[in-house]
Amino acid sequence: QAVVTQEPSLTVSPGGTVTLTCGSSTGAVTSTHYPYWFQQKPGQAPRTLIYDTNNKHSWTPARFSGSLLGGKAALTLSGAQPEDEAEYYCLLFYSGLRGLFGGGTKLTVL
Amino acid sequence: EVQLVQSGAEVKKPGESLKISCKGSGYDFTNYWIGWVRQMPGKGLEWMGLIYPGDSDTRYSPSFQGQVTLSADKSINTAYLQWSSLRASDSAIYYCVRGGGHWGQGTLVTVSS
Repeated sequence: QAVVTQEPSLTVSPGGTVTLTCGSSTGAVTSTHYPYWFQQKPGQAPRTLIYDTNNKHSWTPARFSGSLLGGKAALTLSGAQPEDEAEYYCLLFYSGLRGLFGGGTKLTVL
Repeated sequence: EVQLVQSGAEVKKPGESLKISCKGSGYDFTNYWIGWVRQMPGKGLEWMGLIYPGDSDTRYSPSFQGQVTLSADKSINTAYLQWSSLRASDSAIYYCVRGGGHWGQGTLVTVSS
């Protein structure tokens, strides 16, 4: 089975920019993996920030964007706010629409 | 407004069966897959599988194949996750999520003797 990899932890300064990545052990991540990005804060259900690589929901803050970068899916946060401190998960879909989460990235805004 | 509303918390004993639900509203229930996600205490998200309510086509993660059953009743816009024989290690929060990324609020399942 494939493995989806994320940075275990990242730190960004308030107002700064950070990119979280999501890689696949099977090779380059493409749009056919339909990458999703979720944010989860302690004690809360996850919420979707990005789906299908770069599509946002109405509740997705404009400072978040999704893309493909260097063979990985990427979530870029431009202008970090204290409330962005959270765990971030990516989800990729493989052949037969079998999904697989990454291990999550703990983002600290400091 | 799209909503996914899950059934309430459950406390069960090992060996018991359980079926939890996820009711969709505000959209055509047959047009989007419903996925199920496990989150064990203090751990990350695990993809269990998904179902297309329109035809009940189901895709299980290898880790959960044979351990749980996904089903759906499109007449009442509800998807289900069930176990035939629970184990203590099934204790977790279970979330449903729709294609496009709308989430249910989660169902806490506690299995303890």
